[in-house]
Amino acid sequence: EAQVTQNPRYLITVTGKKLTVTCSQNMNHEYMSWYRQDPGLGLRQIYYSMNVEVTDKGDVPEGYKVSRKEKRNFPLILESPSPNQTSLYFCASSWDGGDNQPQHFGDGTRLSIL
Amino acid sequence: GQQLNQSPQSMFIQEGEDVSMNCTSSSIFNTWLWYKQEPGEGPVLLIALYKAGELTSNGRLTAQFGITRKDSFLNISASIPSDVGIYFCAGLRPQGAQKLVFGQGTRLTINP
Repeated sequence: EAQVTQNPRYLITVTGKKLTVTCSQNMNHEYMSWYRQDPGLGLRQIYYSMNVEVTDKGDVPEGYKVSRKEKRNFPLILESPSPNQTSLYFCASSWDGGDNQPQHFGDGTRLSIL
Repeated sequence: GQQLNQSPQSMFIQEGEDVSMNCTSSSIFNTWLWYKQEPGEGPVLLIALYKAGELTSNGRLTAQFGITRKDSFLNISASIPSDVGIYFCAGLRPQGAQKLVFGQGTRLTINP
């Protein structure tokens, strides 16, 4: 089954403790992206990657890092999480990032930073 | 960052009623997408629109890509309980890399 898989689905942690949210897709998609969803703001893009070793900032990249060492994986790294990063996070992928290739989303990771 | 203006923010309707929601922007988009999100899940694509003026249907759902490329609407006819959820519009900006901009969402509640 074609899917985007995120782990963990839920995480409660404390300020400053480094964490990584993994994202994996099994569709051989070149394009992957991370979003955060906050009430009243919809989804906002954090980082995206057009292909292996190619990443770029989205609209809200501050406080986040990503890496794309393999095509299927695109982890989101919070080196020193802060409470304002408490949010619902989604990973998405599409074939090549082109206009006619809509993104497919994972089921989300809910992060709470205390 | 830029966002789309989606309205209404919430709707409370009776089963069987038609639903209409829309998104507007001050900027042009190449592609308009409509997603539905249910609790505990990620957004699922409903309809994709690729050309200005395009009108596309998916079952009881109909969406249109505005002729100015700055707006889109989604209609749901004869609503049923499983239509409950949050609906998001999203636009792809015409600048190379696929940068999706989302509306704030429309929360649909249906009274049986």
